[in-house]
Amino acid sequence: KQEVTQIPAALSVPEGENLVLNCSFTDSAIYNLQWFRQDPGKGLTSLLLIQSSQREQTSGRLNASLDKSSGRSTLYIAASQPGDSATYLCAVKETSGSRLTFGEGTQLTVNP
Amino acid sequence: DTEVTQTPKHLVMGMTNKKSLKCEQHMGHRAMYWYKQKAKKPPELMFVYSYEKLSINESVPSRFSPECPNSSLLNLHLHALQPEDSALYLCASSQDSILTGPNTEAFFGQGTRLTVV
Repeated sequence: KQEVTQIPAALSVPEGENLVLNCSFTDSAIYNLQWFRQDPGKGLTSLLLIQSSQREQTSGRLNASLDKSSGRSTLYIAASQPGDSATYLCAVKETSGSRLTFGEGTQLTVNP
Repeated sequence: DTEVTQTPKHLVMGMTNKKSLKCEQHMGHRAMYWYKQKAKKPPELMFVYSYEKLSINESVPSRFSPECPNSSLLNLHLHALQPEDSALYLCASSQDSILTGPNTEAFFGQGTRLTVV
């Protein structure tokens, strides 16, 4: 059974800092990996999608990498802002049944 | 347009009530999903529909009954729920067509906050 782990569970940083969120998964039989943002009590906003054949995707201040063979992905956030405060979830889409399996998330707080 | 719309946003129901959650997307996506999310936990998959047919049921209790009447609409019928079923219910969709294959991006709605009293 696929297991997705995110480290750290929580992170508090001052504004302007660059930071890295980590995601690991146990089964490399995936179609893609997706990073989401969730604000309290709200739905999920898709940030970046990395296909299994890709190594990296960028959108604005966000950069996500994928190493499928080692089962790892990182989300890099440059020049963090208070508005980046949210829970960040990674999810892998499994080749068996196209399930999207989520990690527990990293709760990020960016302090002004 | 990458919008998945869920109604209602909030729902309070008694344990003997029957209610329905509704989800709509007009992106032409052929896969639609229901997830359940408890506080401070990740979303958990409940059901997957592919081309309007149920393809995955993650052993969900029968008091939850999904329905996909057409390619744009997904319902979740609720009956005789328990207080522990209180959660945020999220709907999602992805392209996953015969042409694109399953390697596509998932989009989520804002969820329905369900409270069972």
